[in-house]
Amino acid sequence: DVVMTQTPVSLPVSLGGQASISCRSSQSLVHSNGNTYLHWYLQKPGQSPQLLIYRVSNRFSGVPDRFSGSGSGTDFTLKISRVEPEDLGDYYCLQSTHFPWTFGGGTKLELK
Amino acid sequence: QIQLVQSGPELKKPGESVKISCKASGYTFTDYAMHWVKQAPGKGLKWMGWINTYTGKPTYADDFKGRFVFSLEASASTANLQISNLKNEDTATYFCARGASGDYWGQGVMVTVSS
Repeated sequence: DVVMTQTPVSLPVSLGGQASISCRSSQSLVHSNGNTYLHWYLQKPGQSPQLLIYRVSNRFSGVPDRFSGSGSGTDFTLKISRVEPEDLGDYYCLQSTHFPWTFGGGTKLELK
Repeated sequence: QIQLVQSGPELKKPGESVKISCKASGYTFTDYAMHWVKQAPGKGLKWMGWINTYTGKPTYADDFKGRFVFSLEASASTANLQISNLKNEDTATYFCARGASGDYWGQGVMVTVSS
């Protein structure tokens, strides 16, 4: 299985500040069709996960442009600028290039 | 609007079975696969597998082969997850999620297994 290593586990931030979360995969996430199936989710307390970024860098409908995704191959990053209170929660990366799909271990974004 | 509405919480004893439903609305049900994800209390997310909503063919991750069954009631735009011979370690919240990128999720069903 592809192992997704997400860092840091906990990320204290100040409101209005910037946050950066890393996700590294144990093998390349480039599919044979040329696409890279790496996605980012936010799970707020007591809620289901919500899609933020799909296929590395595409913001899902309604997601503010404060969220941006980048990366290639095995190394990916989610950046959040101007952090707002509603951004707090657990962030997960997911790869769906290889079977079985695998999630990163999660990053808790919390107030400093 | 697109919604996935799951059934309510379940309290079961070890050895019993449970069936969880996920009713889709706001889109053509057979156009998107349905995935299932497990989240144990205080833990991260684990992908269980998916079902092709057009053909009904399920695919299971290795850890979910044997006691877990994905099924459909396509006429009701509903996907189901059945777990048999429940064990304490099945205590978790189970989510359904739509499509190749999990763009919409159900609210989750908490299944508690306790004697």
